[in-house]
Amino acid sequence: DQQVKQNSPSLSVQEGRISILNCDYTNSMFDYFLWYKKYPAEGPTFLISISSIKDKNEDGRFTVFLNKSAKHLSLHIVPSQPGDSAVYFCAAGDDKIIFGKGTRLHILP
Amino acid sequence: EAQVTQNPRYLITVTGKKLTVTCSQNMNHEYMSWYRQDPGLGLRQIYYSMNVEVTDKGDVPEGYKVSRKEKRNFPLILESPSPNQTSLYFCASSPPGGGQETQYFGPGTRLLVL
Repeated sequence: DQQVKQNSPSLSVQEGRISILNCDYTNSMFDYFLWYKKYPAEGPTFLISISSIKDKNEDGRFTVFLNKSAKHLSLHIVPSQPGDSAVYFCAAGDDKIIFGKGTRLHILP
Repeated sequence: EAQVTQNPRYLITVTGKKLTVTCSQNMNHEYMSWYRQDPGLGLRQIYYSMNVEVTDKGDVPEGYKVSRKEKRNFPLILESPSPNQTSLYFCASSPPGGGQETQYFGPGTRLLVL
């Protein structure tokens, strides 16, 4: 059973609009959450993280929101740019991090 | 330049022929890990190592071996590859903490087992 779920395999967003990627987790003991971005033919690269003591973390155009009661986190990208087209992996855990299946984001011109 | 390197990047082999995928990092990281990425399954951890001579199974260790004789190197060994091991493999490293520290990934090795 999946402990980290990204239920949308893909998402298309108009350039300039907001992209919202969602992630759900099942283990209430998870205390650290990360988003990785992956381009084709490259390894994943770290994007942004949040610990369980916070509900929001912002880094430029990227904001991660954590709702612990709902066991849900989301990544907001504002405004979306063509270079944001990639696969985004949500990851969660404590000592060990578990990855979701990924969401492919397409930014439309 | 801080990086994780993997070799080879692409490999086609036949069932049963032993192979090794090398992984090396130059960041003096204690923690290293191997993942495989498959369509619809995301990234799944195969093995990880907290430090030299310390290795442990991840979520999908069957059919794989690893060794950690030096801090910088963490090779992945397939003693008798099978077609279900056809996949995209990533090595990663991070400072102590493993989970909470961000991981640095290599560029990936695409393996096809015929």
